[in-house]
Amino acid sequence: ETGVTQSPTHLIKTRGQQVTLRCSSQSGHNTVSWYQQALGQGPQFIFQYYREEENGRGNFPPRFSGLQFPNYSSELNVNALELDDSALYLCASSFRGPMNTEAFFGQGTRLTVV
Amino acid sequence: DAKTTQPNSMESNEEEPVHLPCNHSTISGTDYIHWYRQLPSQGPEYVIHGLTSNVNNRMASLAIAEDRKSSTLILHRATLRDAAVYYCIRRIGNQGGKLIFGQGTELSVKP
Repeated sequence: ETGVTQSPTHLIKTRGQQVTLRCSSQSGHNTVSWYQQALGQGPQFIFQYYREEENGRGNFPPRFSGLQFPNYSSELNVNALELDDSALYLCASSFRGPMNTEAFFGQGTRLTVV
Repeated sequence: DAKTTQPNSMESNEEEPVHLPCNHSTISGTDYIHWYRQLPSQGPEYVIHGLTSNVNNRMASLAIAEDRKSSTLILHRATLRDAAVYYCIRRIGNQGGKLIFGQGTELSVKP
């Protein structure tokens, strides 16, 4: 149990729709990152939020967007869903400070686009 | 961002040590080396990390080559619960902790 919770756990959407995934960070953490994991692949970095601002982005199009709230929880929004967006979406929280610390991952949201 | 390189799969016997290798020849001086493992239907779990020196914790040891182009995760006594996909990861030092995952090594443990 990492203290990072994601909702929903599973989701089925139709191509072209929009989806919002949610993440509650571990208490005391100020940074949240989102990753996409396709079947049989390692997670791919989407973006990171620190103090409610985007702080680094991977190779994902603008239809992937996010928010971080004052309580450090976060949302991942994906517009105009494509079949290739089907994947496990992982949220990771960490504390950004002078020490290099580990990230704590949630269980993920399994998104299926049909 | 260049990814790390790991064998696709490895096999071990229960109670024996396991050495999981990783190549990261393009790593920069500020990147940390992290290892995470992932069980089926779960998110990745932190195992260990280091920068230049070898590291030990209750789960494993991490041996880092002097030139930092490779590292080895050592599980001292494999158990059945250690069966998982192990990821060797570059943590980008100057980008707030972005993790660059490779393909991972699927470790199976035989009783």
